Amino acid sequence: NAGVTQTPKFQVLKTGQSMTLQCAQDMNHNSMYWYRQDPGMGLRLIYYSASEGTTDKGEVPNGYNVSRLNKREFSLRLESAAPSQTSVYFCASSLSEINNSPLHFGNGTRLTVT
Amino acid sequence: AQSVTQLGSHVSVSEGALVLLRCNYSSSVPPYLFWYVQYPNQGLQLLLKYTSAATLVKGINGFEAEFKKSETSFHLTKPSAHMSDAAEYFCAVSHSGGYNKLIFGAGTRLAVHP
Repeated sequence: NAGVTQTPKFQVLKTGQSMTLQCAQDMNHNSMYWYRQDPGMGLRLIYYSASEGTTDKGEVPNGYNVSRLNKREFSLRLESAAPSQTSVYFCASSLSEINNSPLHFGNGTRLTVT
Repeated sequence: AQSVTQLGSHVSVSEGALVLLRCNYSSSVPPYLFWYVQYPNQGLQLLLKYTSAATLVKGINGFEAEFKKSETSFHLTKPSAHMSDAAEYFCAVSHSGGYNKLIFGAGTRLAVHP
């Protein structure tokens, strides 16, 4: 049982390049999330998808887009990467969108933008 | 708006000593509160959650936390630290609006020395 799988694990981009971070979960969860983690700031929500077919902005959505491809997969796209997007990105899922449903996290993607 | 403050970005204890990690929250509505743990190069794992049932919540690995409304606190404790407890710990509160959009604290890195 893999849980939440993120690819790639590491990525280096030049400013202005684009890329897509992939996330898949095998727990039949309805809700999925993208967070970024920066030192001293904890985790901040970028986008979330309460259920298949819906997406919504979180706390820091600027510069990102998402796609909920199906129930299992939720991708995060950087159209034109900037150094300020250097961070560790975590995908998470939960059984539902109600606010006591625990989040299950992937192991993260470490992104560096030069 | 909801927020979380974790007092102390680094805490160091001896093996066998009491662990106390502090968390204070701000919320205009009754909150749901969580503690997550992150081991190196991994995603976050749920330690425990408070969802308005019992004020003393027991979690995994011998950790527990007490919800104190009068102090707006949700401190995490463990009676006797083990070397394997060395990790980063995050307190989180559920976002207002009823959806599972957690607001995380900045984290506390726990070091355990022999």
